[in-house]
Amino acid sequence: QSVLTQPPSASGTPGQGVTISCSGSSSNIATNNVYWYQHLPGTAPKLLIYRNDQRPPGVPDRFSGSKSGTSASLAISGLRSEDEGDYYCAAWDDTLSGPVFGGGTKLTVL
Amino acid sequence: EVQLVESGGTLVQAGESLRLSCAASEFRFDDYAMHWVRQAPGKGLEWVSGISWNGGTLGYADSVRGRFTISRDNAKSSLYLQMNSLRPADTALYYCTKQSFSGSYGQPSFDSWGQGTLVTVSS
Repeated sequence: QSVLTQPPSASGTPGQGVTISCSGSSSNIATNNVYWYQHLPGTAPKLLIYRNDQRPPGVPDRFSGSKSGTSASLAISGLRSEDEGDYYCAAWDDTLSGPVFGGGTKLTVL
Repeated sequence: EVQLVESGGTLVQAGESLRLSCAASEFRFDDYAMHWVRQAPGKGLEWVSGISWNGGTLGYADSVRGRFTISRDNAKSSLYLQMNSLRPADTALYYCTKQSFSGSYGQPSFDSWGQGTLVTVSS
């Protein structure tokens, strides 16, 4: 099992919004920043959100991140077919002294 | 544009060793921490190891500690991963990644990734 817990799947229709959750603990999300990655088929992972809610240059504002306590969320609005892929949360874990990833959520755009 | 090109992945037998390399370009390599992240077939991303900009700080996942060694050569803008006592569970696509912010280490903010090199360990 992954240290960070994500739902294995999520789905929505084009134009809709979807939220992906990431649950952690006092040794990771509660005390450290959360990062989100998009991994589309056949490509390298891409940093989508850093420091909980910041978007790197070039990432559309359809993607937004938030954090509260030991949980974090990635919200995607105005779903597009090209958003279909895997999404991962990540954070530093103080107990393990290293970064940890969630198990990933496979997003399907119906 | 940042370029990260991994090499060295191949098919090996359990117990053997392998050295992965990552050639970096188009950024000031010696300003940034670097990491290896892997993805086993059908599985999610797993952080493997990281090294600070000057090599002074090293980190390893529990699953590879004592078997893998990360290193870097700033003069050659290259990152390495020496993998010993390989196991079938080490079979994965290994990505070289760059830390987002110069001088920092640890936070999983990886803003550039290579295309990966495939390591297959047979039993």
